[in-house]
Amino acid sequence: EIVLTQSPGTLSLSPGERATLSCRASQSVSSSYLAWYQQKPGQTPRLLIFGASNRATGIPDRFNGSGSGTDFTLTISRLEPEDFAVYYCQQSAGSPGTFGQGTKVEIK
Amino acid sequence: QVQLQQSGPGLVKPSQTLSLTCAISGDSVSSNSVAWNWIRQSPSRGLEWLGRTYYRSKWYTDYAVSVKSRLTINPDTSKNQFSLQLNSVTPEDTAVYYCTRLPYYGLGLPYGMDVWGQGTTVTVSS
Repeated sequence: EIVLTQSPGTLSLSPGERATLSCRASQSVSSSYLAWYQQKPGQTPRLLIFGASNRATGIPDRFNGSGSGTDFTLTISRLEPEDFAVYYCQQSAGSPGTFGQGTKVEIK
Repeated sequence: QVQLQQSGPGLVKPSQTLSLTCAISGDSVSSNSVAWNWIRQSPSRGLEWLGRTYYRSKWYTDYAVSVKSRLTINPDTSKNQFSLQLNSVTPEDTAVYYCTRLPYYGLGLPYGMDVWGQGTTVTVSS
């Protein structure tokens, strides 16, 4: 099973600041199989990024994904108030797939 | 617009079977470019991908190692839905359960889970 480890566990930032979230895989994952989700309290996860760097439909361009192999990054260029949430990476290269444990982005 | 509607009990006794159904509208369970998944979420285990079913000229099913011996996922083409049956539940199976859609594009590349059911909070308790 491919284990995804996200860091940091919590990121305390102010609106307008840049957020950098990391996702490290226990073995190499094709970038085609790496996605990122956002989850707000009481809501279902929302797909942000697929294929490591492609924004899903309707996702603002302040969300950017990058990386390859075992190291992937989600960057939020300028945090808006609605971006404070928990973010998960997920891989579907394995069968059936796994999620990271999440990074909480909170207001400082 | 694709929607997933979950149904099933919120309380299950230990050692019994948890059964959930996910009804699909706006897409087909038999689509050859989609996988239909069950995910659960709990404070202790986070998001856990339990398994999936998909049709590619024939039906396939994959299960997570952690639940493989207890889990069955079945498609129902007559009702355009799919189901989860988890046997011999324990309090550790207490979680919010979600069904999701994962479409594939191009040469079989995953788009990501773009549609989620509303979630079913399941408590395992006597």
